[in-house]
Amino acid sequence: NAGVTQTPKFRVLKTGQSMTLLCAQDMNHEYMYWYRQDPGMGLRLIHYSVGEGTTAKGEVPDGYNVSRLKKQNFLLGLESAAPSQTSVYFCASSIQGGETYNEQFFGPGTRLTVL
Amino acid sequence: TQLLEQSPQFLSIQEGENLTVYCNSSSVFSSLQWYRQEPGEGPVLLVTVVTGGEVKKLKRLTFQFGDARKDSSLHITAAQPGDTGLYLCAGSSWGKFQFGAGTQVVVTP
Repeated sequence: NAGVTQTPKFRVLKTGQSMTLLCAQDMNHEYMYWYRQDPGMGLRLIHYSVGEGTTAKGEVPDGYNVSRLKKQNFLLGLESAAPSQTSVYFCASSIQGGETYNEQFFGPGTRLTVL
Repeated sequence: TQLLEQSPQFLSIQEGENLTVYCNSSSVFSSLQWYRQEPGEGPVLLVTVVTGGEVKKLKRLTFQFGDARKDSSLHITAAQPGDTGLYLCAGSSWGKFQFGAGTQVVVTP
């Protein structure tokens, strides 16, 4: 099993450009998450999904959109990139959520720079 | 709003010394997790604690969940250079996780 994979690993954008980050998991997990990690801020939740066809906003959703058309894939889109979106983006998945505890499995991250 | 406060932010120690990292919150969580992250990689789960007062040991690492399920600590005994990394705590509530900002631990030989 590959676990959680992310593409691309690195990307440089100019302000105003758009792009899509792809996350794929082969563990048949229901829940998937997108986080951004900035120095001194830890991981902040952007959007998450509790199952195929569903999405929900996290802590910092502005400027991002997501889609979960297939259970194994979770896409993060930036329609008009801004320098404030320069960050490292992590995708994660977990078996389930709710009040039961569960482990999140993280991808290797995508380092995005917006000039 | 950072609901989980980790301290210290940075810790540099010599091999063989002990260290403790703290994770505090004003909120109650259904569970709390500790992750370790190495440069260029995603976080990897070390342990999950669920019950107030729970203590879990993982080799030289000891994790404790506060009685009120609002705080936790990670203690490393006889630290080794391989323990170097960013330690993150994360509180779980209704399927979502709130992360602390992390504690960067550096263990020098």
